[in-house]
Amino acid sequence: AQTVTQSQPEMSVQEAETVTLSCTYDTSESDYYLFWYKQPPSRQMILVIRQEAYKQQNATENRFSVNFQKAAKSFSLKISDSQLGDAAMYFCAYRSEGTGNQFYFGTGTSLTVIP
Amino acid sequence: NAGVMQNPRHLVRRRGQEARLRCSPMKGHSHVYWYRQLPEEGLKFMVYLQKENIIDESGMPKERFSAEFPKEGPSILRIQQVVRGDSAAYFCASSPQRGRLNYGYTFGSGTRLTVV
Repeated sequence: AQTVTQSQPEMSVQEAETVTLSCTYDTSESDYYLFWYKQPPSRQMILVIRQEAYKQQNATENRFSVNFQKAAKSFSLKISDSQLGDAAMYFCAYRSEGTGNQFYFGTGTSLTVIP
Repeated sequence: NAGVMQNPRHLVRRRGQEARLRCSPMKGHSHVYWYRQLPEEGLKFMVYLQKENIIDESGMPKERFSAEFPKEGPSILRIQQVVRGDSAAYFCASSPQRGRLNYGYTFGSGTRLTVV
């Protein structure tokens, strides 16, 4: 079964600095998709960024980028120039043909941004 | 275009009562997914429905839980005879069709169920 692990329950970053959130996963499949979701206090789940496993190039969305290491099964999220509005829970998620329509989520990392 | 609407936002039930959670998908979306988030955990899949059909309920507890998505109206997640362990946030997501695997669903803001 696929598992997604986020080993950092809490992280903090100074405003305008850079922070990296870690995610590892376990799978026997070669084709899959990885996602980072943000959950602010409003509870709304917001898609931040996605990565297709067959793509070697790391995905980037403005200040958000990923470091995808397929062999190591690692998918970290880098937030540059951190802003107060980035404070939230961040969830890493996995999806593949093997999981059907299901997402497998990690347990989340709570990010605090210090002014 | 309103997003996925869930109501109520907060629901308190006494042990043994029934909880009914509603989800209205985005306009034009005919596929609905329910996830549960227990305290300190990530979201876990419960059930996937199309209009009038349950496609995958492999994540749904076998007893007391049921879900429907009628031809008209919202999708309903129903929990009978609630227990304290049912306390969680329940999220609904929707997609226009069987989503491509790289498709990130649109989630609602969830219903927080508290069983007292």
